[in-house]
Amino acid sequence: QQPVQSPQAVILREGEDAVINCSSSKALYSVHWYRQKHGEAPVFLMILLKGGEQKGHEKISASFNEKKQQSSLYLTASQLSYSGTYFCGTGTGANNLFFGTGTRLTVIP
Amino acid sequence: DGGITQSPKYLFRKEGQNVTLSCEQNLNHDAMYWYRQDPGQGLRLIYYSQIVNDFQKGDIAEGYSVSREKKESFPLTVTSAQKNPTAFYLCASASGRASETQYFGPGTRLLVL
Repeated sequence: QQPVQSPQAVILREGEDAVINCSSSKALYSVHWYRQKHGEAPVFLMILLKGGEQKGHEKISASFNEKKQQSSLYLTASQLSYSGTYFCGTGTGANNLFFGTGTRLTVIP
Repeated sequence: DGGITQSPKYLFRKEGQNVTLSCEQNLNHDAMYWYRQDPGQGLRLIYYSQIVNDFQKGDIAEGYSVSREKKESFPLTVTSAQKNPTAFYLCASASGRASETQYFGPGTRLLVL
């Protein structure tokens, strides 16, 4: 039930955009996005719910295609602080989440 | 301040020793979770609890045990049966509603001597 993330890694220059994808083989109720800096805890970015509701940071955008069981996280005008590993967690309506293996994002000057 | 705390930040285990990792939350959350993270890997669920005095095994429960005697606390014991315990352990809590997310503590890094 683990979702698949792509790409596995990406390198950006400051100001460039990136898209991170998350795909599940199961019908989804929710998709949760987190960013983790090395050695730290994952920090919540956004949750997308079946039916279109979204909760999260104003500067982060994401989409959730319920039919395709896919979500994408859009990072625009990247900053150095965006560097880290991005995880998606997928929920099927119960309380547990299944996490992908992460996408390592590196932003360089 | 509301949040989740984990202690210790670093923990060293000797061969054959049981060690306990602490997780406390004051968010009034019903659900609590323990995850294991290995280098370059995602999060794997060890145990979770939806309510006091009840908990369920996750994907990799072997060699671990938990208790949930209080709503605020969900300690994890790494037993001697866990042969490869070196990892980063993360505790999380959630309200229990499917429309709400999980929030993570700062983690405990466990190393074997």
